Amino acid sequence: NAGVTQTPKFRVLKTGQSMTLLCAQDMNHEYMYWYRQDPGMGLRLIHYSVGEGTTAKGEVPDGYNVSRLKKQNFLLGLESAAPSQTSVYFCASSVAYGYTFGSGTRLTVV
Amino acid sequence: DQQVKQNSPSLSVQEGRISILNCDYTNSMFDYFLWYKKYPAEGPTFLISISSIKDKNEDGRFTVFLNKSAKHLSLHIVPSQPGDSAVYFCAASRLYSGGSNYKLTFGKGTLLTVNP
Repeated sequence: NAGVTQTPKFRVLKTGQSMTLLCAQDMNHEYMYWYRQDPGMGLRLIHYSVGEGTTAKGEVPDGYNVSRLKKQNFLLGLESAAPSQTSVYFCASSVAYGYTFGSGTRLTVV
Repeated sequence: DQQVKQNSPSLSVQEGRISILNCDYTNSMFDYFLWYKKYPAEGPTFLISISSIKDKNEDGRFTVFLNKSAKHLSLHIVPSQPGDSAVYFCAASRLYSGGSNYKLTFGKGTLLTVNP
């Protein structure tokens, strides 16, 4: 029972490069979320999805895009990475409020 | 504008004693509150929740208290154990007002250290 799997676990990008973070869940959850965690800032919602084919903006969506083409996958894209996007990214899925989180992706933009 | 505040970045307690973690919120529309626990290099895990129709919810060693008039909630851990050492996040949402899509607003977290 994998739960929520995030890939990659670590990544270093140069400013201006692009990348996609993958989140996969095997619990048939409708809702999926992308959060970022920064020191002293807690967890902030980037984008979320209420079902396959749907996405919506969260609290800090600028610089990110998302897609949910399949129910089990939620992709987070950075088109042109900036040092301010250095963070730990967490994906979560849920049927309600009991989120299941992945173990995170640590991204460094240099 | 921080809507969920955890004003204590860290807390240290002795094993066997009570740990009290505090959380304040400013948005009066919040009506459902949760606590998540996070170990290093892992994602947060759900711990306990409370809705605004209650003022207390208990689950084993963990009890959450809600004071709606003060917009304050607290998590009590009794007795504290070294394995409880983790970052604790308070989170809030608008369950009964609708349209929340189960989105959560998190506080900054409190690092709890339980010393043997």
